[in-house]
Amino acid sequence: DAKTTQPPSMDCAEGRAANLPCNHSTISGNEYVYWYRQIHSQGPQYIIHGLKNNETNEMASLIITEDRKSSTLILPHATLRDTAVYYCIVRDGGSQGNLIFGKGTKLSVKP
Amino acid sequence: DTEVTQTPKHLVMGMTNKKSLKCEQHMGHRAMYWYKQKAKKPPELMFVYSYEKLSINESVPSRFSPECPNSSLLNLHLHALQPEDSALYLCASSHQTSGAYEQYFGPGTRLTVT
Repeated sequence: DAKTTQPPSMDCAEGRAANLPCNHSTISGNEYVYWYRQIHSQGPQYIIHGLKNNETNEMASLIITEDRKSSTLILPHATLRDTAVYYCIVRDGGSQGNLIFGKGTKLSVKP
Repeated sequence: DTEVTQTPKHLVMGMTNKKSLKCEQHMGHRAMYWYKQKAKKPPELMFVYSYEKLSINESVPSRFSPECPNSSLLNLHLHALQPEDSALYLCASSHQTSGAYEQYFGPGTRLTVT
């Protein structure tokens, strides 16, 4: 079973920041937080991951709370092409730690 | 090249047919994966290959038979499928299976079993 809880849907205005929350209150010390997204009828796309520290790349920023029980994915300037289902996944760093997708958040970016 | 390719894009097959799905990557990745995704559901892991050896089978029925002929290719052989097996089949690859790594996904094969 997925170890994360996400809101089923969110709206965001084009050009504004999209902040997608994720709860992972049972996360353990060697588990990473990953974010993927899936645009309609395409394969999932990796966005970002983190363990303890906040992370930023060209796509997004990942803010992880100090107790690691929740995180927020930030898309700084959302565009219509960012409309997708966003999956927050907690994965063990061991060799058997695979991606277990939850239901995700359907983000709709509106003009 | 960060692309995972899958063929065919669409496949319609009868319950008595035998068909194969193909996945290819040229990123030097040593781990490859098959996922199944039903409509409006998240992807579910089916198989993991690591260094061309099957390392994980998530209790998938034997009518699905994976094969990894070399480090760049992954096949999924289908035989005697049921209509409920209709789904999007996704292939993915990664450099490794432990530690922190990204999985790169292909566009999927949309399978319809009639």
